Amino acid sequence: EIVMTQSPATLSVSPGERATLSCRASQSVGSDLAWYQQKPGQAPRLLIYSASSRATGVPARFSGSGSGTEFTLTISSLQSEDFAVYYCQQYNNWPPLTFGGGTKVEIK
Amino acid sequence: QVQLVQSGAEVKKPGASVKVSCKASGYTFTSYTLHWVRQAPGQRLEWMGWINSADGNTKYSQKFQGRVAFTRDTSASTAYMELSSLRSEDTAVYYCASRAFYFDYWGQGTLVTVSS
Repeated sequence: EIVMTQSPATLSVSPGERATLSCRASQSVGSDLAWYQQKPGQAPRLLIYSASSRATGVPARFSGSGSGTEFTLTISSLQSEDFAVYYCQQYNNWPPLTFGGGTKVEIK
Repeated sequence: QVQLVQSGAEVKKPGASVKVSCKASGYTFTSYTLHWVRQAPGQRLEWMGWINSADGNTKYSQKFQGRVAFTRDTSASTAYMELSSLRSEDTAVYYCASRAFYFDYWGQGTLVTVSS
């Protein structure tokens, strides 16, 4: 099973600042990596797939990069609605599909 | 627009079974696979498995093998997840999700509480 590790667990950022979230896979997943945003009481929302492709309707301030075992989600200028928990997920080697433990982006 | 609408919250006793439904609309039901993902309180998302909506083939996570069953009713555009021999650790929000092996579409979630 591929283990996904996200860091940091919590990121404190001021509105308008840049946020950089990391995700590491225990073995190469190529570019088969997705990012999700989850707000309290809601289902996750797909942001990025194939490591760097934005899902439909996702603002351009969200960008993904990386391949192999190291991935990054960048939010270029945090808006109030971006404070949430972010998860990465690999779909290269399954079953099982696996998710990271999440990064909570909170207001500084 | 695509919608996945799940059944309501459930409270079950240890050892019981629960069956959660997921009704799809806004697309041809048999076009996409349907996955089940759960999230225990404060925990990461956990993939349980998937069902091929067209032919009913299933693939389960080894963790749940033997205790979970996915079915579907194509005439009702609805998929079902049944989890048996419930224990307290199964208390979680259960989601159905689609469309590929990353998930554009999610149900709203069904809270299953296992408590004596």
